[in-house]
Amino acid sequence: AQTVTQSQPEMSVQEAETVTLSCTYDTSESNYYLFWYKQPPSRQMILVIRQEAYKQQNATENRFSVNFQKAAKSFSLKISDSQLGDTAMYFCAFMRANSGYALNFGKGTSLLVTP
Amino acid sequence: EPEVTQTPSHQVTQMGQEVILRCVPISNHLYFYWYRQILGQKVEFLVSFYNNEISEKSEIFDDQFSVERPDGSNFTLKIRSTKLEDSAMYFCARGSSGRGVTDTQYFGPGTRLTVL
Repeated sequence: AQTVTQSQPEMSVQEAETVTLSCTYDTSESNYYLFWYKQPPSRQMILVIRQEAYKQQNATENRFSVNFQKAAKSFSLKISDSQLGDTAMYFCAFMRANSGYALNFGKGTSLLVTP
Repeated sequence: EPEVTQTPSHQVTQMGQEVILRCVPISNHLYFYWYRQILGQKVEFLVSFYNNEISEKSEIFDDQFSVERPDGSNFTLKIRSTKLEDSAMYFCARGSSGRGVTDTQYFGPGTRLTVL
């Protein structure tokens, strides 16, 4: 079974600063996908970014980027130029490439962006 | 991309009652999923559904749960005899293209279920 670990239950960052959220995972699979989802107070689950394990290049979406270290099984999310609207729970998720398509989530990191 | 809509947004029920949660896709997709999130906890996979059949289910998805797509459009999750511990947010998600296992999953707004 795959496990996803987010070791930072809570983090805080000032507006316009950069913050990095950590995620590690455990798997014996060679082909898989990793995701970060954002959950604001509304509790909607919003996709932030996706990374394919076979790609060496780190994914980037505007102010969001990842540092994917396959050998270390690490998948951190960097948020640049933090905005107040980035305040949310952030969940890291793992999906095997040839499975029944289930997303396996970590416990989440609560990020607070302060003025 | 558009996600799915879910109804109701909030359901309150008595323990032992049956509830049906509905998911309505914006367009025609083949892959659907149900997840739940107990307050303050992580999101947990329940079941995936492909082409009108269950493709995978977790150990949480026991005999009290069932899924179906009765009219080819709405996708429903039925909980036959609700328990207090079924109180949670239930999310429906759909695959981005319906083409395969690597689909990114897009979530609906969720249904908050409260069992009294």
